[in-house]
Amino acid sequence: GAVVSQHPSWVICKSGTSVKIECRSLDFQATTMFWYRQFPKQSLMLMATSNEGSKATYEQGVEKDKFLINHASLTLSTLTVTSAHPEDSSFYICSAWAGDGRENTEAFFGQGTRLTVV
Amino acid sequence: AQSVAQPEDQVNVAEGNPLTVKCTYSVSGNPYLFWYVQYPNRGLQFLLKYITGDNLVKGSYGFEAEFNKSQTSFHLKKPSALVSDSALYFCAVVPRAAGNKLTFGGGTRVLVKP
Repeated sequence: GAVVSQHPSWVICKSGTSVKIECRSLDFQATTMFWYRQFPKQSLMLMATSNEGSKATYEQGVEKDKFLINHASLTLSTLTVTSAHPEDSSFYICSAWAGDGRENTEAFFGQGTRLTVV
Repeated sequence: AQSVAQPEDQVNVAEGNPLTVKCTYSVSGNPYLFWYVQYPNRGLQFLLKYITGDNLVKGSYGFEAEFNKSQTSFHLKKPSALVSDSALYFCAVVPRAAGNKLTFGGGTRVLVKP
């Protein structure tokens, strides 16, 4: 099946610095990718929809200036957490759909990035 | 707005016994329904999906799920659980016209004891 690769798997950064997380579709093209956030023992919450060649669409309550999304190509979307603070510590997961757009379409997920802000 | 409910935070089952993880949904129209499994500090792995057709869907690792439109449920089942099935399970729904935004249930932790 299709593969979505996320990098890094984990990162520790100092408060006030910025962190970039990459999400790549390895063997298919994705005009749209999705970024989720997951707190411990909780479900995935959609943060934003990343659109190749245009601005991302953010969910209500997600700070656009805090979580910068760039979808530079059909295989790469990046999430940059700017001026990170301890409350931004979380597990971030990206996903992309692959398939024929009908019954054979399926969402594939990256392995996730554990961000710890100290 | 669509929603997904997984009423049980945790399910405990002995190895070899049947496993059921419940899921109900609320969405207009005919949605696509999915089950995913997550192991610690990992992304989600696809188990199975219902798009159309037979209400009983068979997926990976011996799992299956039954779509019940009248009860708006999509419960996940496995006839004989393994210790390695211990993980976090998510039910998800996407309305067919929603641009592929998945809405997840709260997740159910499954613990299979030897």
